[in-house]
Amino acid sequence: NAGVMQNPRHLVRRRGQEARLRCSPMKGHSHVYWYRQLPEEGLKFMVYLQKENIIDESGMPKERFSAEFPKEGPSILRIQQVVRGDSAAYFCASSLGIRGTDTQYFGPGTRLTVL
Amino acid sequence: KNQVEQSPQSLIILEGKNCTLQCNYTVSPFSNLRWYKQDTGRGPVSLTIMTFSENTKSNGRYTATLDADTKQSSLHITASQLSDSASYICVVSAGGNNRLAFGKGNQVVVIP
Repeated sequence: NAGVMQNPRHLVRRRGQEARLRCSPMKGHSHVYWYRQLPEEGLKFMVYLQKENIIDESGMPKERFSAEFPKEGPSILRIQQVVRGDSAAYFCASSLGIRGTDTQYFGPGTRLTVL
Repeated sequence: KNQVEQSPQSLIILEGKNCTLQCNYTVSPFSNLRWYKQDTGRGPVSLTIMTFSENTKSNGRYTATLDADTKQSSLHITASQLSDSASYICVVSAGGNNRLAFGKGNQVVVIP
C-alpha cells in the first residue's frame, strides 16, 4: 500500500509564476490536508478537503492560493503569482476519517523555492 | 502565541545515551496528543498517540507520557541511535474535526 505521494519533490519558480503542487492520498483515504512549513517553524494548517469539497480553508491565504480535490486524480494546491515569501515546504497528509484518533499520514513534501 | 511549545529547541546527545523532550500545550478542548518524527527532507511519521485517559505509551525505544491536568507531555528516547537524529514534533488534536496544532519540534542530533 503506497503511502501519500507528492510531486514534484522540488519546485523552483520565478516571482510571478504559478506553482502547482500535487498530492495523491493513501489508498482508501478521502480526507486530504495541506500544510506549510517555513524554516525553523512548525507546520501550519492551510486547508482540509474531501473529494470535490473544501471543508476548511481557514489557514489558507485569501489571495493567490487555491486548492482542489477532484473526484478523479490527485489533490492540487495552486499558488498564483508566487512571491519570495511563498518559499517553503508544503506537506500533504491524508486520513481515513476525521475522528481525533484517525492518524494523518504525511507525504514527503514539496519544497518550493521562489527566485 | 503558539498553542504547543516544545523544549529544548535542539540538543546533541551521544549514541547510546537517553534523552527526554518536553511539550506543553494550551489547546482546548483536548482530544489527543501525538509525537511525530520528521527526518530531514521527509514528511512527519507518527510515533505515538495518547488520548485523555492514557498517561504513557511506548513504541520501541520511544516512550511518551501525558499529564492532561498540567497539559504536559514528554518523549523519552532510550539508548539513542544515530538514526534517531531528527526533529520530534508534538502535535495536539482539538475537538472532533482532526484539526492539529503543531509544535516547532525538538531537533535531536545523535553523535557517535
